[in-house]
Amino acid sequence: NAGVTQTPKFQVLKTGQSMTLQCAQDMNHEYMSWYRQDPGMGLRLIHYSVGAGITDQGEVPNGYNVSRSTTEDFPLRLLSAAPSQTSVYFCASSPGEETQYFGPGTRLLVL
Amino acid sequence: GENVEQHPSTLSVQEGDSAVIKCTYSDSASNYFPWYKQELGKRPQLIIDIRSNVGEKKDQRIAVTLNKTAKHFSLHITETQPEDSAVYFCAASGVYKLSFGAGTTVTVRA
Repeated sequence: NAGVTQTPKFQVLKTGQSMTLQCAQDMNHEYMSWYRQDPGMGLRLIHYSVGAGITDQGEVPNGYNVSRSTTEDFPLRLLSAAPSQTSVYFCASSPGEETQYFGPGTRLLVL
Repeated sequence: GENVEQHPSTLSVQEGDSAVIKCTYSDSASNYFPWYKQELGKRPQLIIDIRSNVGEKKDQRIAVTLNKTAKHFSLHITETQPEDSAVYFCAASGVYKLSFGAGTTVTVRA
């Protein structure tokens, strides 16, 4: 099993550009989530999904969209990138409500 | 929503000594409390967790305690080693939402 995979590993965007961060898992987990990690602030939940076709907002959802068309994939879309979205983004999956397994992360720099 | 506070933000210990990290949470409905270790440039990885019906759990050199009445839980690392140097995060979970503390940078001095 590859576990949780994320692409790209690193991305540079200009303000106003849009992009999609990809996340996939091969563990047949129902629950997937996106976090952003900023220095001194831990990890903050952006959006999460409890199964295909079901998504909900986390703590910091503004500026991000998600969809869950399959169990395996949970892409995160930045609609119009802003410098405040410079961060490290982690995708995670879980078989239930508890233990979460993180992907390797995507470092995003918005200029 | 849930608010998790973690202390201290940095911790320096001599190799072989113990390290203790403390967290408090606000939502009495939270029932799952994991601890993650993150090495520089790597993903967070679960090292131990505890559920609300348990007061203490131990796994080799690490242990976690939970006081539901006071809404706080702690991570204890004994006989620290250089490979214990990392950032440690506590978290508290209600239904489908995991809230993290801000992290503790642990440095083990040789």
